[in-house]
Amino acid sequence: GESVGLHLPTLSVQEGDNSIINCAYSNSASDYFIWYKQESGKGPQFIIDIRSNMDKRQGQRVTVLLNKTVKHLSLQIAATQPGDSAVYFCAETRPGGGADGLTFGKGTHLIIQP
Amino acid sequence: NAGVMQNPRHLVRRRGQEARLRCSPMKGHSHVYWYRQLPEEGLKFMVYLQKENIIDESGMPKERFSAEFPKEGPSILRIQQVVRGDSAAYFCASSPRRVRNTEAFFGQGTRLTVV
Repeated sequence: GESVGLHLPTLSVQEGDNSIINCAYSNSASDYFIWYKQESGKGPQFIIDIRSNMDKRQGQRVTVLLNKTVKHLSLQIAATQPGDSAVYFCAETRPGGGADGLTFGKGTHLIIQP
Repeated sequence: NAGVMQNPRHLVRRRGQEARLRCSPMKGHSHVYWYRQLPEEGLKFMVYLQKENIIDESGMPKERFSAEFPKEGPSILRIQQVVRGDSAAYFCASSPRRVRNTEAFFGQGTRLTVV
């Protein structure tokens, strides 16, 4: 079936380095993508979104890249800080029928090493 | 403006009991979504409601689960005759419009444990 998935379950980076978290999706009709951050014991927190008519979008210390040709989404976090430790999920929405909510991937656990 | 409020934060039920999970959306939000998260997994969509209407319940189990969003008061996710497999974190999200057009804001979740 269709799904949004992530390449790596755990990513360990040094504090101060840049982090890149990847996500693959299978439905070429998906038109809106969101990255969420979920800290332990908390609900998902919106980080950044991107529509399918865009290739790149930048926020504060974060950049999302969308490659529709290979159906790949990535989240780049600049100068990773201890507070960035969390599980990161990509999510998609699809036009038309089916579930009207978000479809989430399984998540990547970002670990920051001092 | 308070965020999405869910209660209780933790709920323990014995097998066969009923679980009632509450979600108060953000002020001005009339769209509510319920998700379930199993340990070490992503969130799975369950149901999408607007005031007094169920818009999409394609992710809801056919039996024992129901949801409502009355004109007044919070949205309720109700699980009857709970089983161990219902143990999970249940998250509610709200948005002012359909989530396709804007980000949804999530609550802190209710962690249901069935013993």
